[in-house]
Amino acid sequence: DTAVSQTPKYLVTQMGNDKSIKCEQNLGHDTMYWYKQDSKKFLKIMFSYNNKELIINETVPNRFSPKSPDKAHLNLHINSLELGDSAVYFCASSQPGQGALGYGYTFGSGTRLTVV
Amino acid sequence: AQTVTQSQPEMSVQEAETVTLSCTYDTSESNYYLFWYKQPPSRQMILVIRQEAYKQQNATENRFSVNFQKAAKSFSLKISDSQLGDTAMYFCALTAPNQGGKLIFGQGTELSVKP
Repeated sequence: DTAVSQTPKYLVTQMGNDKSIKCEQNLGHDTMYWYKQDSKKFLKIMFSYNNKELIINETVPNRFSPKSPDKAHLNLHINSLELGDSAVYFCASSQPGQGALGYGYTFGSGTRLTVV
Repeated sequence: AQTVTQSQPEMSVQEAETVTLSCTYDTSESNYYLFWYKQPPSRQMILVIRQEAYKQQNATENRFSVNFQKAAKSFSLKISDSQLGDTAMYFCALTAPNQGGKLIFGQGTELSVKP
């Protein structure tokens, strides 16, 4: 199936731990993103990568570090987890360019991170 | 800066009836794209409908249609013949070509379809 897949779907961890979320897309898209959805369901971009190059970094704490080994993968590593990091994290991909932008994003199914 | 505002946090509609969700936006770009995404309880983000700003004709996808008022910067979603499966959170979103693909989302409207 063509899709954006992210793992794990659920992650429960203690404060201070380090964790990673993985994302892979097989759509051939050049750009991948991480979005955070908070407890009020508000979605906000964290990072975007275009063909392994960081394009957008939206004032996210440096405990969050994205890594893109190739254009089909974008992982998110979080150090020293805090209670406030609890949220749903979505990976997404798109094909930028004037016309292709109109097709929007394809989202992964999200990772619910709970920090206890 | 681009902004998207959804002023209706919650709405409800009877099955088979029609409901309209409101969205207003602000951008200084002349070319941009608007979207409605649906997020059911499964959490999956699903693209419902899209509109290119330079197209005057309102987009339609089956029971979903938009009322795009460019001068008023308004982009409402109409759902006809509402079904129980339409129960979800609906997000309006905006992007423009020189924004690196960044989507700006509204706060969302939680829609309940009642039997």
